[in-house]
Amino acid sequence: DAGITQSPRHKVTETGTPVTLRCHQTENHRYMYWYRQDPGHGLRLIHYSYGVKDTDKGEVSDGYSVSRSKTEDFLLTLESATSSQTSVYFCAIRATGYGYTFGSGTRLTVV
Amino acid sequence: GENVEQHPSTLSVQEGDSAVIKCTYSDSASNYFPWYKQELGKRPQLIIDIRSNVGEKKDQRIAVTLNKTAKHFSLHITETQPEDSAVYFCAAERNWIQGAQKLVFGQGTRLTINP
Repeated sequence: DAGITQSPRHKVTETGTPVTLRCHQTENHRYMYWYRQDPGHGLRLIHYSYGVKDTDKGEVSDGYSVSRSKTEDFLLTLESATSSQTSVYFCAIRATGYGYTFGSGTRLTVV
Repeated sequence: GENVEQHPSTLSVQEGDSAVIKCTYSDSASNYFPWYKQELGKRPQLIIDIRSNVGEKKDQRIAVTLNKTAKHFSLHITETQPEDSAVYFCAAERNWIQGAQKLVFGQGTRLTINP
């Protein structure tokens, strides 16, 4: 769907371990985003990228880092996972004409 | 930064009636306002959007209105059907200098259509 895929779809990890989520797009879009979704909070922006090696923080960036070494891949890393990072993570791309398209999401559980 | 408030958090209407969801935004420089529908376990999907140079936009049973002066915009769904049951999110984007375009979301509205 719109050439955007997230992996893994589900992951359970232990507190303190590093975790990397991957977002892959096939349509050469410049802008990519990572959001987290929690009940009562809607979708909150973690980090975003506006080009290869160009990234910036969103409103809930603490505990997360990102990398974009090529146009098609945007990686989100939890350096040391905590229970508060249990969430559903969505990647999004911004297409020409403003429309944002979301990936299918990654459900992450930190135990 | 931008702040988007969405009301109500839950809304229940009878099938065939209309539903209205309202959002306010804080940044007068915001110029793009999309609405997303999210079904249980699925990704958010764009259903309609409006830009700041337009006051109203309609697509079949769905319409969005924008009041730039008051900084609020609304989603209107007419002749509601059971398949309209979902969580709806409003959002706003400010067209910053190049490189800083990002979407800020409201908290969501859970819409339930009662048969």
